[in-house]
Amino acid sequence: EPEVTQTPSHQVTQMGQEVILRCVPISNHLYFYWYRQILGQKVEFLVSFYNNEISEKSEIFDDQFSVERPDGSNFTLKIRSTKLEDSAMYFCASSGTRTLREMRNTIYFGEGSWLTVV
Amino acid sequence: KNQVEQSPQSLIILEGKNCTLQCNYTVSPFSNLRWYKQDTGRGPVSLTIMTFSENTKSNGRYTATLDADTKQSSLHITASQLSDSASYICVVSEGTGGFKTIFGAGTRLFVKA
Repeated sequence: EPEVTQTPSHQVTQMGQEVILRCVPISNHLYFYWYRQILGQKVEFLVSFYNNEISEKSEIFDDQFSVERPDGSNFTLKIRSTKLEDSAMYFCASSGTRTLREMRNTIYFGEGSWLTVV
Repeated sequence: KNQVEQSPQSLIILEGKNCTLQCNYTVSPFSNLRWYKQDTGRGPVSLTIMTFSENTKSNGRYTATLDADTKQSSLHITASQLSDSASYICVVSEGTGGFKTIFGAGTRLFVKA
């Protein structure tokens, strides 16, 4: 079954450093997402991306964050200058094509990238 | 403020028993409601998706209900198995695009032998 893959699975970085988390969404999907989950807390929506632009973003997704689809397969999340509170599991996800029932499309999550900022 | 509240916070049941998890939401405009299963340290896996016009959806031993008038949903698990031990998360999408999602804190289910 097709799956969303994320790299790295774990990363430790120093405060103030830039981090890029990478994702390969399911190949025929058109919608891409990033979420984060701080340890012991609920999953939080960060951003959705469609047609090479951000379609929605949350209050968490401030100027320190950016997303990019540099080629036909990768989808990246960049954190410009990491803070201690950015330590979390970051999930990438993707969903399918736009149809009349697009809102019912299943969102497939990757296994996440653990980011620890020290 | 758009919120999704789940109850109970945690639940312990014996293998083979049924259980029902609850979700109340105050998300507007409402787009759809999903239930996910999340094993510890893993990504969420979709169980069901419902729009406002649907009031029940089944996926194997999982049955979700939705009452859009009272803004309540439930997830019923039948004949529980040890592998059902996980967090079950209610997620509501807002807006006409339905991309922005609000997650509940989840119900942590423990199934004991």
